[in-house]
Amino acid sequence: GEDVEQSLFLSVREGDSSVINCTYTDSSSTYLYWYKQEPGAGLQLLTYIFSNMDMKQDQRLTVLLNKKDKHLSLRIADTQTGDSAIYFCAEPQSPGSARQLTFGSGTQLTVLP
Amino acid sequence: EPEVTQTPSHQVTQMGQEVILRCVPISNHLYFYWYRQILGQKVEFLVSFYNNEISEKSEIFDDQFSVERPDGSNFTLKIRSTKLEDSAMYFCASSEIGDSPLHFGNGTRLTVT
Repeated sequence: GEDVEQSLFLSVREGDSSVINCTYTDSSSTYLYWYKQEPGAGLQLLTYIFSNMDMKQDQRLTVLLNKKDKHLSLRIADTQTGDSAIYFCAEPQSPGSARQLTFGSGTQLTVLP
Repeated sequence: EPEVTQTPSHQVTQMGQEVILRCVPISNHLYFYWYRQILGQKVEFLVSFYNNEISEKSEIFDDQFSVERPDGSNFTLKIRSTKLEDSAMYFCASSEIGDSPLHFGNGTRLTVT
């Protein structure tokens, strides 16, 4: 994929659901990833989805994949202040370069009390 | 949980100097990577390393850069003759096999003055 797009900012109230969206370019990607970056910290692997799946749920996290529209979303249920961070989606640059990830610009999630 | 560790967390150097950024990947992982994030920009792939040799590299990874696995645990990135534009957060990552998720360290913030 050459370009992965994300909106830059999202604000939600504590307890609400957050939905972070991402569009990617290479429909043949095997895995698509979500990483979380807290202030001053590294990139924490949050979750990932295999391209033959439509949905993956992991506790408060739900990943939805629409391959037709090349759209990936991350839903965080019952958002907490500790969820405030930058969230990056990432895809392999090409099927032959599964290790070479292309990152989106990141979505800054702010959780308001 | 095993994690990728990077040292130092912050490195300040003068333009023209050489720096070595150090990483200890997760012990049973076979693939190692360097990525960087210039302030305000996307995370970018630099290089991947497997079986003691570079497997992929980006256009950014020119002759100024080199990587090495000097022993069984460390993985280093050397930047010769640093330039102001090399200032960035440098992330090391590792993965178990080529297609498995990448686990990142907390990064080294390099400041070139």
